[in-house]
Amino acid sequence: AQRVTQPEKLLSVFKGAPVELKCNYSYSGSPELFWYVQYSRQRLQLLLRHISRESIKGFTADLNKGETSFHLKKPFAQEEDSAMYYCALSPGDSWGKLQFGAGTQVVVTP
Amino acid sequence: DTEVTQTPKHLVMGMTNKKSLKCEQHMGHRAMYWYKQKAKKPPELMFVYSYEKLSINESVPSRFSPECPNSSLLNLHLHALQPEDSALYLCASSSGLAGALDTQYFGPGTRLTVL
Repeated sequence: AQRVTQPEKLLSVFKGAPVELKCNYSYSGSPELFWYVQYSRQRLQLLLRHISRESIKGFTADLNKGETSFHLKKPFAQEEDSAMYYCALSPGDSWGKLQFGAGTQVVVTP
Repeated sequence: DTEVTQTPKHLVMGMTNKKSLKCEQHMGHRAMYWYKQKAKKPPELMFVYSYEKLSINESVPSRFSPECPNSSLLNLHLHALQPEDSALYLCASSSGLAGALDTQYFGPGTRLTVL
């Protein structure tokens, strides 16, 4: 069975400081990893996918298969980054079964 | 139209009522999903439709009955619900073409309260 762990429920950072959201997963096969974000009063939306290897809104995430991690990072946090962030796993052999982590609430203070 | 829409936004129902939640997308997506999200918890997958056929049912109680009348519409029929079924019900869609890499697009949700 797959599992996604986000150890931090709440992350409070100052504007301009680096922010890192941790995500660890367990899955016996080859998963696809995503970060979804939900801003206040907005719908859940994709932030980035590991396969894209691109930076979205200054965020990057590297898939580390050895450590089974997919941490999300941004070098300089902005107030508009305040949101709930979910790490999610899609099993490589069973599409559609998106499994979310518990989520990390990020609060960026000026 | 690049959004998933859901109606109603809010629904209050008694345990003996029958009601339906509706979801619509016009992005040409062939996969549609229902999720349940309790307060301060992540979304939990309930059902997946692929090309209008039910492909995944995550052992959801039969008081929840999904229906996909066509590729743009997804319904969730509710009957004899329990108070613990109160939650935000999210609909999502994806192209259905990228397998496990499919990006899911979420609707705003229907806030359901069962009295």
